[in-house]
Amino acid sequence: SQTIHQWPATLVQPVGSPLSLECTVEGTSNPNLYWYRQAAGRGLQLLFYSVGIGQISSEVPQNLSASRPQDRQFILSSKKLLLSDSGFYLCAWSVHGGLEAQHFGDGTRLSIL
Amino acid sequence: AQSVTQLGSHVSVSEGALVLLRCNYSSSVPPYLFWYVQYPNQGLQLLLKYTTGATLVKGINGFEAEFKKSETSFHLTKPSAHMSDAAEYFCAVSRMDSSYKLIFGSGTRLLVRP
Repeated sequence: SQTIHQWPATLVQPVGSPLSLECTVEGTSNPNLYWYRQAAGRGLQLLFYSVGIGQISSEVPQNLSASRPQDRQFILSSKKLLLSDSGFYLCAWSVHGGLEAQHFGDGTRLSIL
Repeated sequence: AQSVTQLGSHVSVSEGALVLLRCNYSSSVPPYLFWYVQYPNQGLQLLLKYTTGATLVKGINGFEAEFKKSETSFHLTKPSAHMSDAAEYFCAVSRMDSSYKLIFGSGTRLLVRP
C-alpha cells in the first residue's frame, strides 16, 4: 500500500531563516505531488504541484519554492521566512495521469517568530 | 470555471442526530467529487468519492453522499452522529483538465453535542 511521510511535524523558526520541508511517498511510482498551506481558520491553498521529476508548477507568487529531485520526493523551501509564512503545510499525492483522489500527509505546523 | 460551495462554516448536532453537510458545485462537465475529513493538527483523510456509476456513494465511518446532477449537489450525511465525528469536513471537485488539481470548498466544522 501507498504511504506518504512529511517531516518535521512541527517547526518554530525565526523571521529571515531558511526553510526546508520534506515529503516522500512510498508504494507508487511517478505520482503527482502537491504542497498546500492552510492558514489558521482558513481553507486549503494550493502552493505547488508536480507531475514529474524537475517539473514544478507554482500556483501563487510567494516567498516559497518547491523542488522534486527524485520521483517520490517533494521539497518545500524558502531562503528567508516571513511572518506570513506561518501555517500548516500539507503534502499530498495522487495517481499520475488521473483525476483521482489526493492523499495527504500528516502536515507540518510552521510557526514563525 | 469549476467551483465548490459549502453552506455553513459551522454545523452543530446532538450525539445520535442526523448529520447533513452541504456541498454544491459548478462544473460544465460531469465532475469527480470528494469529501475529506480533517481532525485537529492532522492531514486530510478521504471519506468517499464519486467518479462515475452509482450516485449514492458510501464511505468510511458510516458516511455517505449522493451525487445529484440536477441540483449540482453532493451532500454528506450520516444517520447518527458520534462524538468522534467532530472535525472539519471539506468537499472537493476535480479539475476536469490536465492540471490534476482539486478545487476545495472552504470547509465545515462539525460540532457534536453530548
